[in-house]
Amino acid sequence: GQSLEQPSEVTAVEGAIVQINCTYQTSGFYGLSWYQQHDGGAPTFLSYNALDGLEETGRFSSFLSRSDSYGYLLLQELQMKDSASYFCAVRRGNNRLAFGKGNQVVVIP
Amino acid sequence: IAGITQAPTSQILAAGRRMTLRCTQDMRHNAMYWYRQDLGLGLRLIHYSNTAGTTGKGEVPDGYSVSRANTDDFPLTLASAVPSQTSVYFCASSESGATDTQYFGPGTRLTVL
Repeated sequence: GQSLEQPSEVTAVEGAIVQINCTYQTSGFYGLSWYQQHDGGAPTFLSYNALDGLEETGRFSSFLSRSDSYGYLLLQELQMKDSASYFCAVRRGNNRLAFGKGNQVVVIP
Repeated sequence: IAGITQAPTSQILAAGRRMTLRCTQDMRHNAMYWYRQDLGLGLRLIHYSNTAGTTGKGEVPDGYSVSRANTDDFPLTLASAVPSQTSVYFCASSESGATDTQYFGPGTRLTVL
């Protein structure tokens, strides 16, 4: 089976750093993805970790520890446009993704 | 067309009616997916297709059917809609193989009364 745990909501000021955690339990693990979704919009891909370690893409970084079944997304230099929901997703066989329930980030001035 | 399109954008449907949600992509991706998104539950996979002519069941397939007659189109059919199928439905596609990125359509908001 599989389950993904994500905290529900965080509020932070512009310029701050936010870390969104994700723990998972699943069979058939290939990697951990992160998606961003603005209110009323479609999810968009942010990053993917297949191996342990840190992946950096601009202001966003993602980390994976396979031995701990844990990953996180780090949002740096927060901007108002980063207000959105962030989902971790476990990549399983057959290119399928199993999504967590998401974490809403609210950025305030 | 650029990316994935879905139709209709929104629909109100009487329970018991049949409904087909349409999804078309122009990226020549082999794999396509249907998700439903409900408040507090994230995205749940309904059905998927790794290539034209094949389909598979996801986490919540009951009450839904799909077909994949060609690479571009992946319609989702509700044979007899029920109120619990009220949701936002997203279609997505990805290249098969090592790449992981899924590209999502704009979604269809479906209300079943």
